[in-house]
Amino acid sequence: SQKIEQNSEALNIQEGKTATLTCNYTNYSPAYLQWYRQDPGRGPVFLLLIRENEKEKRKERLKVTFDTTLKQSLFHITASQPADSATYLCALDMGDYKLSFGAGTTVTVRA
Amino acid sequence: DADVTQTPRNRITKTGKRIMLECSQTKGHDRMYWYRQDPGLGLRLIYYSFDVKDINKGEISDGYSVSRQAQAKFSLSLESAIPNQTALYFCATSDGTGNQPQHFGDGTRLSIL
Repeated sequence: SQKIEQNSEALNIQEGKTATLTCNYTNYSPAYLQWYRQDPGRGPVFLLLIRENEKEKRKERLKVTFDTTLKQSLFHITASQPADSATYLCALDMGDYKLSFGAGTTVTVRA
Repeated sequence: DADVTQTPRNRITKTGKRIMLECSQTKGHDRMYWYRQDPGLGLRLIYYSFDVKDINKGEISDGYSVSRQAQAKFSLSLESAIPNQTALYFCATSDGTGNQPQHFGDGTRLSIL
């Protein structure tokens, strides 16, 4: 079965630094991968989608990479701000528009 | 107004009770999903529906049932609730074309005593 691992449950960083989150997967080769943000008491909100033939995708201060050989995606938040504090989830395409989600990494940005 | 609305937002009930969680959407999407979220486990798919006449089991459907009353409405039922069904429940929708993101409601926090 598909297994998705996101790096340590919590990541604490100083404002202005870059946060790097890892999503590793096994037993599958997804055609695309998505990243979501979830705030306490709210549902996940879509951030970025990257396809298997794309190495990198950017959106404002966010950057996602997708290495299908390593079976890994990296999610970077550059010039981090306290407002970036949230839990970030990666999700893999399972076909038929179903997604398999990781448990998430909680990021706290200190002012 | 939210695109995906879940009711109730919070519910406390007792073991053995029947519970229905409701989801409605204004995005016009064909595909709808029910997930549960537990600490450390991430979101797990309970049921999904590709249109009104198409209902499919997800990875953890035992103890749950669903009804797709219309394109915009998808409800989740727990026929006889048990304490290990205490969790956060999320409804989501997606466009039926291409590799599209999912749009989530804000969830129902369900506690079964």
